[in-house]
Amino acid sequence: ETGVTQTPRHLVMGMTNKKSLKCEQHLGHNAMYWYKQSAKKPLELMFVYNFKEQTENNSVPSRFSPECPNSSHLFLHLHTLQPEDSALYLCASSQESGEGEGNEKLFFGSGTQLSVL
Amino acid sequence: AQSVAQPEDQVNVAEGNPLTVKCTYSVSGNPYLFWYVQYPNRGLQFLLKYITGDNLVKGSYGFEAEFNKSQTSFHLKKPSALVSDSALYFCAPFTGRRALTFGSGTRLQVQP
Repeated sequence: ETGVTQTPRHLVMGMTNKKSLKCEQHLGHNAMYWYKQSAKKPLELMFVYNFKEQTENNSVPSRFSPECPNSSHLFLHLHTLQPEDSALYLCASSQESGEGEGNEKLFFGSGTQLSVL
Repeated sequence: AQSVAQPEDQVNVAEGNPLTVKCTYSVSGNPYLFWYVQYPNRGLQFLLKYITGDNLVKGSYGFEAEFNKSQTSFHLKKPSALVSDSALYFCAPFTGRRALTFGSGTRLQVQP
């Protein structure tokens, strides 16, 4: 186990539904991330949170809404999704040194496989 | 602009043979370079990283990678492949953003 837990593992939803993905890290890290993994495409960075503050929103549509209530939990709220949003959504965490050198190791959860019908 | 290229979508190798997964980068300056691996139904796991110093970096599970500045490459290698090494491998340079960016990866298939 990596210390990063994502629930649910699988989710099927209709385009009019509202659902949330949950991520919890037990590593004491101060940064958390959402990535989207679609087949045969580069991994897409969606959101970054440092010390609970959103520091990056990589031009993600507003139908994806992140929430970081504390350093250990990260949510991704979903509403009125499209079939092309079907993908594996990965959460990751790291301990940022504060120097922004980018050499911090990322720890990933196993992901939520989302299917939008 | 694409900052990393993994030219092969898939690499096939027989068990016991050496393996190489190729990566070239286009980050200016002195890059930080990472390799991650994704086993089936799992998230990515850190394998190794190059920051500075020795060009040959050793990582987990017997993997190593060689940083070559003149060829802007950071190929992943292992002397003797195992069936359990079959997975998706990602090379990732640090591009100056606050988080790593990854390509689409290379699928390694090791045949028994």
